[in-house]
Amino acid sequence: ETGVTQSPTHLIKTRGQQVTLRCSSQSGHNTVSWYQQALGQGPQFIFQYYREEENGRGNFPPRFSGLQFPNYSSELNVNALELDDSALYLCASSRGPKGQPQHFGDGTRLSIL
Amino acid sequence: SQQGEEDPQALSIQEGENATMNCSYKTSINNLQWYRQNSGRGLVHLILIRSNEREKHSGRLRVTLDTSKKSSSLLITASRAADTASYFCATDDAETSGSRLTFGEGTQLTVNP
Repeated sequence: ETGVTQSPTHLIKTRGQQVTLRCSSQSGHNTVSWYQQALGQGPQFIFQYYREEENGRGNFPPRFSGLQFPNYSSELNVNALELDDSALYLCASSRGPKGQPQHFGDGTRLSIL
Repeated sequence: SQQGEEDPQALSIQEGENATMNCSYKTSINNLQWYRQNSGRGLVHLILIRSNEREKHSGRLRVTLDTSKKSSSLLITASRAADTASYFCATDDAETSGSRLTFGEGTQLTVNP
């Protein structure tokens, strides 16, 4: 069974640029959630996608957006990057939108200069 | 915002000893999950305990849940050096349709050989 894979593993951008992060969900999973983890802190929920629709959003501005594709893979897009966006971005997939364990990828480390 | 609070923030023990980590939360939950994170990696799901359960075991792990006190504990028995990692509790809010896991800031466990 293939686990959750994320790409790229590392990325360096400058303020004001835009970035797209990608996630392939685990086989058999139809739900993808995205989290932002700052250094030394726990992950913070950005949003969840289920059946190609956003199914819940955390306290993040609209410049954070996403997509889910028919094969359940997902993208996270961040526009107008700010220094505070530097973090580890984690994708997690699950068998359903509620009440299931989430399986995480190893994340994308985003650094903003 | 972080809902869960783990206690202690850091724990250092010798191999073979038991490690206990505690988590407190604030809202009504559907379930509570524990995750492990090795440095620079994604989170690994350890155990999920539902709001109507009081105790759950998985190998060397024992989790308890007290919904009246809004608290949970994770016990790792007969610890090994490989258990060295950060441990997070995450609550799945009962009020939302999707699983927006809310993580604490974690407990850094060091197991000395």
